[in-house]
Amino acid sequence: GEDVEQSLFLSVREGDSSVINCTYTDSSSTYLYWYKQEPGAGLQLLTYIFSNMDMKQDQRLTVLLNKKDKHLSLRIADTQTGDSAIYFCAEKTTDSWGKLQFGAGTQVVVTP
Amino acid sequence: SAVISQKPSRDICQRGTSLTIQCQVDSQVTMMFWYRQQPGQSLTLIATANQGSEATYESGFVIDKFPISRPNLTFSTLTVSNMSPEDSSIYLCSVVEGGETQYFGPGTRLLVL
Repeated sequence: GEDVEQSLFLSVREGDSSVINCTYTDSSSTYLYWYKQEPGAGLQLLTYIFSNMDMKQDQRLTVLLNKKDKHLSLRIADTQTGDSAIYFCAEKTTDSWGKLQFGAGTQVVVTP
Repeated sequence: SAVISQKPSRDICQRGTSLTIQCQVDSQVTMMFWYRQQPGQSLTLIATANQGSEATYESGFVIDKFPISRPNLTFSTLTVSNMSPEDSSIYLCSVVEGGETQYFGPGTRLLVL
């Protein structure tokens, strides 16, 4: 079956790096996504990675994918107060156009 | 990236009534979807809005409760019918662009009393 798991909460000091972890179970995943949801807002696509890649870097964001362990992580360098939000990991499998399986979300709180 | 707008952004409704939510995209997209995010929960796909044919619903969602229209490639509506407090959620429209990127609208926050 499909299941995406994330830790529920992360507290990080401003300026430090944040690492948000996600595990998934469906080995047929093609794309894996990270979305950010700020209070009262919709979902913002942060980045995504294709399943045949190990790493993707985009400015302060680094995505690492361990396909063998079905583990995905998002690292945010130099975390700022504006990074405080809920971060969702999601997977797309080969037979599910548009149907993303989401994790429960990780609440990231950035403290001064 | 596709720009998605939704109307209304929020509403408070009485039980037993219905609300129609509109989704407008600034470009033509083949695939449009409706998701629900219940309070404190993650997102769940309600249905795929198919242009020119009936929507495809996920398990647990039915057309009588969530009728969907998709008259063209830039617009869709979702109606939440005969509402109860359990329908209080954020409803999000989503589109797929380029086969790999999936974007979400700002959401419609619905509270049913």
